[in-house]
Amino acid sequence: ETGVTQTPRHLVMGMTNKKSLKCEQHLGHNAMYWYKQSAKKPLELMFVYNFKEQTENNSVPSRFSPECPNSSHLFLHLHTLQPEDSALYLCASSQNQGEGNQPQHFGDGTRLSIL
Amino acid sequence: GQNIDQPTEMTATEGAIVQINCTYQTSGFNGLFWYQQHAGEAPTFLSYNVLDGLEEKGRFSSFLSRSKGYSYLLLKELQMKDSASYLCAVRDTGGFKTIFGAGTRLFVKA
Repeated sequence: ETGVTQTPRHLVMGMTNKKSLKCEQHLGHNAMYWYKQSAKKPLELMFVYNFKEQTENNSVPSRFSPECPNSSHLFLHLHTLQPEDSALYLCASSQNQGEGNQPQHFGDGTRLSIL
Repeated sequence: GQNIDQPTEMTATEGAIVQINCTYQTSGFNGLFWYQQHAGEAPTFLSYNVLDGLEEKGRFSSFLSRSKGYSYLLLKELQMKDSASYLCAVRDTGGFKTIFGAGTRLFVKA
């Protein structure tokens, strides 16, 4: 399924670098999500946007900064990250936030490694 | 607190049946999802339950008991391609967040 596309697939960066992750969905959905997936841990919700408005910030450190310019695009800006931020970052979309039976559609993720 | 428990790993034989259990404690409930995730790939939607009972979809079935906070995913006629992680997720009514379990890694052997 190519409904949700994430770039880059892999990213290695130093702790002082600034980089951005990009997500694009072609499904006509109104809600978009960022998750962090670490080995053997549950998916951790980071941010939710519904109709371009941020509706959830799950106590995420300010070194992660999301941006949603329109309902199809979502960015995660990274600055001064820590080694423990190394993980798979997944983007997802759904028709609307909170509609009971609507599943989330995920991208393949960006594998982030912090040196 | 919010908690979803599922076994870390399971192994089963090709052609057999396997049941992956999930128990949950959440402040609210607005449906339970199962997702499949192959290594290095996106999670993909398998099933949704909001009422008690069994939902069947081909080789996969999902069961829900809301009073027990319990669900299972049943995979029949296992194939090698079913080797993957299976994620149980509950949609909470408060804020409409979806809470995920850590996933069960299923290994299917010949």
